[in-house]
Amino acid sequence: EPEVTQTPSHQVTQMGQEVILRCVPISNHLYFYWYRQILGQKVEFLVSFYNNEISEKSEIFDDQFSVERPDGSNFTLKIRSTKLEDSAMYFCASSLTGRTNQPQHFGDGTRLSIL
Amino acid sequence: AQTVTQSQPEMSVQEAETVTLSCTYDTSESDYYLFWYKQPPSRQMILVIRQEAYKQQNATENRFSVNFQKAAKSFSLKISDSQLGDAAMYFCAYRSGGATNKLIFGTGTLLAVQP
Repeated sequence: EPEVTQTPSHQVTQMGQEVILRCVPISNHLYFYWYRQILGQKVEFLVSFYNNEISEKSEIFDDQFSVERPDGSNFTLKIRSTKLEDSAMYFCASSLTGRTNQPQHFGDGTRLSIL
Repeated sequence: AQTVTQSQPEMSVQEAETVTLSCTYDTSESDYYLFWYKQPPSRQMILVIRQEAYKQQNATENRFSVNFQKAAKSFSLKISDSQLGDAAMYFCAYRSGGATNKLIFGTGTLLAVQP
């Protein structure tokens, strides 16, 4: 069964540095998402992306965050200047369409540790 | 704003027995979808089961079934004939039937299966 893949599985970065998290969504899916889960807390929505633009974002997704689909397969999340509180598990997800009954398929996640 | 509450941080069940995981939610909407996701130690979140709010019939997927009580805003997951592979974190999630794509998650229930 096709899967969403994320790289790296663990990223360690110094505070203030830029970090790029990478995702390869399921190939025929059109909608892409990023979520994050701070240790011990809920999974939180960050952003959704469709047709090469952001379709929705949460209040967490401020100017420090950006997303991009640089080619036909990758979907990236960039954090420009990382803070300690950005330490979390980041999950990428994709869905075939944006219809409400379409499930979102998640990747394994990238654990981001900010030192 | 919609919220999802899972009041059981941890649950335990004997192999082959039945366990029920609780989920309640708060919304003023009439059109929405509810999901249960499973996150095993390998970390990838997998969709277990989904329920459309307009359907009165409870969803069933093999050993997994839900008890959807719309008036009470309750959406519990029943796992029958529990297996060792069912051990995981289980997340309840809500999605509005409107234009938004975001999933709103509960805090999760960690299920242990005892041999």
